Amino acid sequence: KAGVTQTPRYLIKTRGQQVTLSCSPISGHRSVSWYQQTPGQGLQFLFEYFSETQRNKGNFPGRFSGRQFSNSRSEMNVSTLELGDSALYLCASSWDGGSETQYFGPGTRLLVL
Amino acid sequence: DAKTTQPTSMDCAEGRAANLPCNHSTISGNEYVYWYRQIHSQGPQYIIHGLKNNETNEMASLIITEDRKSSTLILPHATLRDTAVYYCIVRAQDNYGQNFVFGPGTRLSVLP
Repeated sequence: KAGVTQTPRYLIKTRGQQVTLSCSPISGHRSVSWYQQTPGQGLQFLFEYFSETQRNKGNFPGRFSGRQFSNSRSEMNVSTLELGDSALYLCASSWDGGSETQYFGPGTRLLVL
Repeated sequence: DAKTTQPTSMDCAEGRAANLPCNHSTISGNEYVYWYRQIHSQGPQYIIHGLKNNETNEMASLIITEDRKSSTLILPHATLRDTAVYYCIVRAQDNYGQNFVFGPGTRLSVLP
């Protein structure tokens, strides 16, 4: 079975721009979670989607948003980028998000200049 | 906040067993103990999880104390490729949409 895939793997943007990251879960998985990892804050939960609905949300500003499509693929969007948004963005999938283990993708490394 | 405490770093000689401890003194009855590891700048890799019984798979063994307040991840024959940050996480499996809360983890260095 193919693992979680994320595109793009690397991205450079400038302050004020917006960015969209994509995540394809493991086949059959319906839950997709997003995490941000920075050297200062570590791994932090952004939000989780299941059946195209956001079920859980972390403590991030509204500039961070996401969505999930009917095929369970998910995108996250960050608007009005700030320097502090530079991070590794990780996506994880599981069958239902509650009783199943989450499997992580390789991440998208975003650099904001 | 993470509900676990782990040593910041550990060293292990190649070929020896690596024993990584984790304290989770406030764990609830329905919370599982999960272990992940992250090799530099890659996504976290699932290793093993358990509720109260000891568990073993092809990667590692998980030993959970009887009172469930602590656990140990054992890599039986550490190799250089096991050098990574190891995260111990407690998480209930009956709350849908619940996320993993990662602490700083233990940085394991396997030395030749």
